[in-house]
Amino acid sequence: SQQGEEDPQALSIQEGENATMNCSYKTSINNLQWYRQNSGRGLVHLILIRSNEREKHSGRLRVTLDTSKKSSSLLITASRAADTASYFCATDGGGKLVFGKGTKLTVNP
Amino acid sequence: DTAVSQTPKYLVTQMGNDKSIKCEQNLGHDTMYWYKQDSKKFLKIMFSYNNKELIINETVPNRFSPKSPDKAHLNLHINSLELGDSAVYFCASSQDRVREQYFGPGTRLTVT
Repeated sequence: SQQGEEDPQALSIQEGENATMNCSYKTSINNLQWYRQNSGRGLVHLILIRSNEREKHSGRLRVTLDTSKKSSSLLITASRAADTASYFCATDGGGKLVFGKGTKLTVNP
Repeated sequence: DTAVSQTPKYLVTQMGNDKSIKCEQNLGHDTMYWYKQDSKKFLKIMFSYNNKELIINETVPNRFSPKSPDKAHLNLHINSLELGDSAVYFCASSQDRVREQYFGPGTRLTVT
Protein backbone atom coordinates (compact mmCIF):
# COMPACT_ATOMS: atom_id res chain seq x y z
CA SER A 1 0.00 0.00 0.00
CA GLN A 2 1.16 3.51 -0.70
CA GLN A 3 3.00 5.10 2.20
CA GLY A 4 4.04 8.68 1.47
CA GLU A 5 1.69 11.37 0.30
CA GLU A 6 3.16 14.63 -0.90
CA ASP A 7 1.40 17.94 -0.66
CA PRO A 8 0.85 19.99 -2.73
CA GLN A 9 0.61 17.97 -5.91
CA ALA A 10 1.85 20.95 -7.90
CA LEU A 11 3.63 24.15 -6.94
CA SER A 12 4.55 27.12 -9.13
CA ILE A 13 6.83 29.87 -7.81
CA GLN A 14 9.13 32.60 -9.05
CA GLU A 15 12.89 32.27 -9.11
CA GLY A 16 14.38 33.35 -5.82
CA GLU A 17 11.37 32.30 -3.75
CA ASN A 18 11.39 29.41 -1.32
CA ALA A 19 9.51 26.19 -2.05
CA THR A 20 8.09 23.96 0.65
CA MET A 21 6.79 20.47 0.03
CA ASN A 22 5.24 18.20 2.62
CA CYS A 23 5.06 14.47 2.97
CA SER A 24 2.84 12.43 5.26
CA TYR A 25 3.11 8.72 5.90
CA LYS A 26 1.21 6.09 7.81
CA THR A 27 3.44 3.56 9.53
CA SER A 28 6.69 3.63 11.49
CA ILE A 29 9.84 4.15 9.47
CA ASN A 30 13.60 3.63 9.66
CA ASN A 31 14.31 6.61 7.48
CA LEU A 32 12.69 8.95 5.00
CA GLN A 33 14.31 10.02 1.76
CA TRP A 34 13.66 12.77 -0.75
CA TYR A 35 14.35 12.37 -4.46
CA ARG A 36 14.16 14.67 -7.46
CA GLN A 37 13.11 13.63 -10.94
CA ASN A 38 13.64 15.88 -13.91
CA SER A 39 11.33 15.32 -16.85
CA GLY A 40 12.26 12.14 -18.72
CA ARG A 41 15.08 11.26 -16.35
CA GLY A 42 15.78 8.92 -13.48
CA LEU A 43 15.42 9.85 -9.83
CA VAL A 44 18.24 11.57 -8.02
CA HIS A 45 18.68 11.16 -4.28
CA LEU A 46 18.63 14.45 -2.34
CA ILE A 47 18.56 13.75 1.38
CA LEU A 48 18.08 10.84 3.78
CA ILE A 49 16.84 11.59 7.28
CA ARG A 50 16.77 8.90 9.93
CA SER A 51 13.87 8.37 12.28
CA ASN A 52 15.90 9.70 15.25
CA GLU A 53 16.79 12.92 13.42
CA ARG A 54 14.62 16.01 13.34
CA GLU A 55 16.31 18.21 10.76
CA LYS A 56 18.92 17.91 8.06
CA HIS A 57 20.51 20.38 5.67
CA SER A 58 22.23 20.00 2.34
CA GLY A 59 23.12 23.17 0.47
CA ARG A 60 19.85 24.98 -0.25
CA LEU A 61 17.79 22.03 0.97
CA ARG A 62 16.37 21.65 4.45
CA VAL A 63 14.43 18.59 5.51
CA THR A 64 12.50 18.19 8.73
CA LEU A 65 10.98 15.05 10.18
CA ASP A 66 8.26 14.83 12.81
CA THR A 67 7.72 11.17 13.66
CA SER A 68 4.93 12.00 16.11
CA LYS A 69 2.93 13.53 13.27
CA LYS A 70 4.32 11.12 10.70
CA SER A 71 5.28 13.97 8.43
CA SER A 72 8.28 15.51 6.73
CA SER A 73 8.91 18.68 4.81
CA LEU A 74 11.42 19.66 2.16
CA LEU A 75 12.35 23.31 1.88
CA ILE A 76 14.26 24.60 -1.12
CA THR A 77 15.56 28.10 -0.50
CA ALA A 78 16.33 30.72 -3.16
CA SER A 79 14.89 28.53 -5.90
CA ARG A 80 16.30 28.49 -9.42
CA ALA A 81 14.75 27.59 -12.75
CA ALA A 82 16.94 24.46 -12.69
CA ASP A 83 15.02 23.27 -9.60
CA THR A 84 12.00 22.64 -11.81
CA ALA A 85 11.29 18.93 -11.35
CA SER A 86 9.09 16.46 -9.51
CA TYR A 87 10.02 15.78 -5.91
CA PHE A 88 9.23 12.51 -4.19
CA CYS A 89 9.41 11.41 -0.62
CA ALA A 90 10.09 7.75 0.05
CA THR A 91 9.75 5.94 3.33
CA ASP A 92 11.83 2.98 4.38
CA GLY A 93 10.09 0.87 6.95
CA GLY A 94 11.43 -2.56 6.27
CA GLY A 95 14.24 -2.47 3.77
CA LYS A 96 12.19 -1.30 0.84
CA LEU A 97 11.32 2.21 -0.28
CA VAL A 98 7.71 3.20 -0.76
CA PHE A 99 7.31 6.35 -2.83
CA GLY A 100 4.62 9.01 -2.74
CA LYS A 101 3.02 10.48 -5.84
CA GLY A 102 5.34 13.48 -5.86
CA THR A 103 5.09 17.25 -5.99
CA LYS A 104 5.62 18.87 -9.37
CA LEU A 105 7.60 22.07 -8.80
CA THR A 106 7.82 24.74 -11.48
CA VAL A 107 10.21 27.63 -10.91
CA ASN A 108 9.52 30.49 -13.29
CA PRO A 109 12.47 32.65 -14.35
CA ASP B 1 31.00 7.53 -16.25
CA THR B 2 27.47 6.20 -15.89
CA ALA B 3 26.76 4.78 -12.45
CA VAL B 4 23.58 2.85 -13.26
CA SER B 5 22.89 2.16 -16.91
CA GLN B 6 19.92 0.54 -18.62
CA THR B 7 19.35 -0.71 -22.12
CA PRO B 8 17.39 -0.06 -24.15
CA LYS B 9 16.16 3.45 -23.37
CA TYR B 10 13.05 2.99 -25.48
CA LEU B 11 11.24 -0.23 -26.29
CA VAL B 12 8.19 -0.40 -28.54
CA THR B 13 6.68 -3.82 -29.06
CA GLN B 14 3.43 -5.59 -29.76
CA MET B 15 1.19 -7.43 -27.35
CA GLY B 16 2.19 -11.02 -26.77
CA ASN B 17 5.88 -10.49 -27.42
CA ASP B 18 8.68 -11.26 -24.97
CA LYS B 19 11.28 -8.61 -24.18
CA SER B 20 14.20 -8.00 -21.84
CA ILE B 21 15.65 -4.92 -20.21
CA LYS B 22 19.22 -4.93 -18.96
CA CYS B 23 20.72 -3.03 -16.06
CA GLU B 24 24.30 -2.63 -14.92
CA GLN B 25 25.82 -0.67 -12.05
CA ASN B 26 29.49 0.16 -11.59
CA LEU B 27 29.16 1.47 -8.04
CA GLY B 28 30.09 -1.76 -6.32
CA HIS B 29 26.69 -1.89 -4.62
CA ASP B 30 25.28 -5.07 -3.16
CA THR B 31 21.59 -4.38 -3.73
CA MET B 32 19.71 -3.76 -6.97
CA TYR B 33 16.07 -3.00 -7.69
CA TRP B 34 13.46 -2.80 -10.42
CA TYR B 35 10.74 -0.18 -10.23
CA LYS B 36 7.76 0.56 -12.45
CA GLN B 37 6.57 4.14 -12.94
CA ASP B 38 3.11 4.47 -14.43
CA SER B 39 1.66 7.29 -16.49
CA LYS B 40 0.70 9.18 -13.33
CA LYS B 41 4.34 9.11 -12.16
CA PHE B 42 3.59 6.64 -9.36
CA LEU B 43 6.74 4.65 -8.67
CA LYS B 44 6.38 1.15 -7.28
CA ILE B 45 9.02 -1.41 -6.42
CA MET B 46 8.85 -4.72 -8.26
CA PHE B 47 11.91 -6.69 -7.24
CA SER B 48 15.08 -6.37 -5.22
CA TYR B 49 18.22 -8.50 -5.23
CA ASN B 50 20.98 -8.51 -2.65
CA ASN B 51 24.20 -10.22 -3.72
CA LYS B 52 22.34 -12.07 -6.48
CA GLU B 53 19.66 -13.27 -4.07
CA LEU B 54 16.02 -12.24 -4.51
CA ILE B 55 14.89 -10.45 -1.35
CA ILE B 56 11.83 -8.48 -2.47
CA ASN B 57 9.21 -9.80 -4.82
CA GLU B 58 6.13 -7.61 -4.83
CA THR B 59 2.82 -8.77 -6.23
CA VAL B 60 4.00 -8.73 -9.80
CA PRO B 61 2.58 -11.07 -12.47
CA ASN B 62 4.83 -14.06 -12.98
CA ARG B 63 5.25 -12.94 -16.59
CA PHE B 64 7.96 -10.72 -15.09
CA SER B 65 11.14 -12.57 -14.23
CA PRO B 66 14.25 -10.85 -12.90
CA LYS B 67 17.68 -12.39 -13.24
CA SER B 68 20.89 -11.37 -11.55
CA PRO B 69 23.90 -13.08 -13.17
CA ASP B 70 26.23 -11.21 -10.83
CA LYS B 71 26.18 -8.40 -8.27
CA ALA B 72 26.58 -5.70 -10.91
CA HIS B 73 23.78 -6.81 -13.22
CA LEU B 74 20.04 -7.18 -12.86
CA ASN B 75 17.96 -7.94 -15.91
CA LEU B 76 14.21 -7.99 -16.32
CA HIS B 77 12.49 -10.35 -18.72
CA ILE B 78 8.84 -9.90 -19.54
CA ASN B 79 6.80 -12.60 -21.25
CA SER B 80 3.56 -12.20 -23.17
CA LEU B 81 3.51 -8.43 -22.96
CA GLU B 82 0.19 -6.71 -22.31
CA LEU B 83 -1.01 -3.16 -22.90
CA GLY B 84 -0.94 -2.50 -19.14
CA ASP B 85 2.77 -3.20 -19.05
CA SER B 86 3.39 0.10 -20.81
CA ALA B 87 5.34 2.23 -18.34
CA VAL B 88 8.81 3.45 -17.53
CA TYR B 89 10.95 0.84 -15.80
CA PHE B 90 13.77 2.00 -13.56
CA CYS B 91 16.68 0.04 -12.27
CA ALA B 92 18.37 1.24 -9.08
CA SER B 93 21.14 0.17 -6.76
CA SER B 94 22.23 0.89 -3.21
CA GLN B 95 25.08 -0.09 -0.94
CA ASP B 96 22.63 -1.88 1.32
CA ARG B 97 18.91 -1.95 1.93
CA VAL B 98 18.76 1.12 4.17
CA ARG B 99 20.91 3.50 2.16
CA GLU B 100 20.08 5.95 -0.59
CA GLN B 101 19.38 4.49 -4.01
CA TYR B 102 20.94 5.41 -7.32
CA PHE B 103 18.61 5.22 -10.29
CA GLY B 104 19.24 4.47 -13.92
CA PRO B 105 17.81 6.67 -16.69
CA GLY B 106 14.79 4.43 -17.21
CA THR B 107 13.42 2.31 -20.06
CA ARG B 108 10.19 3.53 -21.61
CA LEU B 109 8.23 0.46 -22.67
CA THR B 110 5.31 0.93 -25.01
CA VAL B 111 3.13 -2.05 -25.81
CA THR B 112 0.85 -1.66 -28.83
